[in-house]
Amino acid sequence: GAGVSQSPSNKVTEKGKDVELRCDPISGHTALYWYRQSLGQGLEFLIYFQGNSAPDKSGLPSDRFSAERTGGSVSTLTIQRTQQEDSAVYLCASSPRQGRSYGYTFGSGTRLTVV
Amino acid sequence: DQQVKQNSPSLSVQEGRISILNCDYTNSMFDYFLWYKKYPAEGPTFLISISSIKDKNEDGRFTVFLNKSAKHLSLHIVPSQPGDSAVYFCAAANFGNEKLTFGTGTRLTIIP
Repeated sequence: GAGVSQSPSNKVTEKGKDVELRCDPISGHTALYWYRQSLGQGLEFLIYFQGNSAPDKSGLPSDRFSAERTGGSVSTLTIQRTQQEDSAVYLCASSPRQGRSYGYTFGSGTRLTVV
Repeated sequence: DQQVKQNSPSLSVQEGRISILNCDYTNSMFDYFLWYKKYPAEGPTFLISISSIKDKNEDGRFTVFLNKSAKHLSLHIVPSQPGDSAVYFCAAANFGNEKLTFGTGTRLTIIP
């Protein structure tokens, strides 16, 4: 597709359940990022993938969060045993290269609500 | 600790006038700054950026000014148009680090 695609667009889950959020980056983009935006907050960095390098996981808030990127393309963010504070919009972005190319392209996000 | 701050959550400007959005940062290691624009139900889109070696960058109706001594940057939009109504995020990065640190955003409303 032409842009970054995220699915689902909305997800309501019960506290304690696991969720998987998917991101399809722009074809050929080697860099992929996950951010989240909680209510009233700025975008918070979660994790960064670049090619075959080890991901930068420094923004993951707890060990309940994990992410993988298969084949250098699609990425899945998994949240185990969801808590109410995990409710946020989760945004994925991709970029064609590493380095000072921060003008990357965001998807529309997945709005996660934990009830 | 909010390293990038946008102290005005909202701003209303008459169509045709200048819109000025402000951003302050605390981390002196930041050396690259960006503005993103976000419409409802869409992801943020990159607008304009500036490196710390410059104090001004211009792109059409959009100009970003950087005052390193004050740790302050601003985005000027002139003339403002109704399509500029959106939430604007300021973001910052430091060399060697791929992540961006975002402010909380300013909702700009252009009044026709």
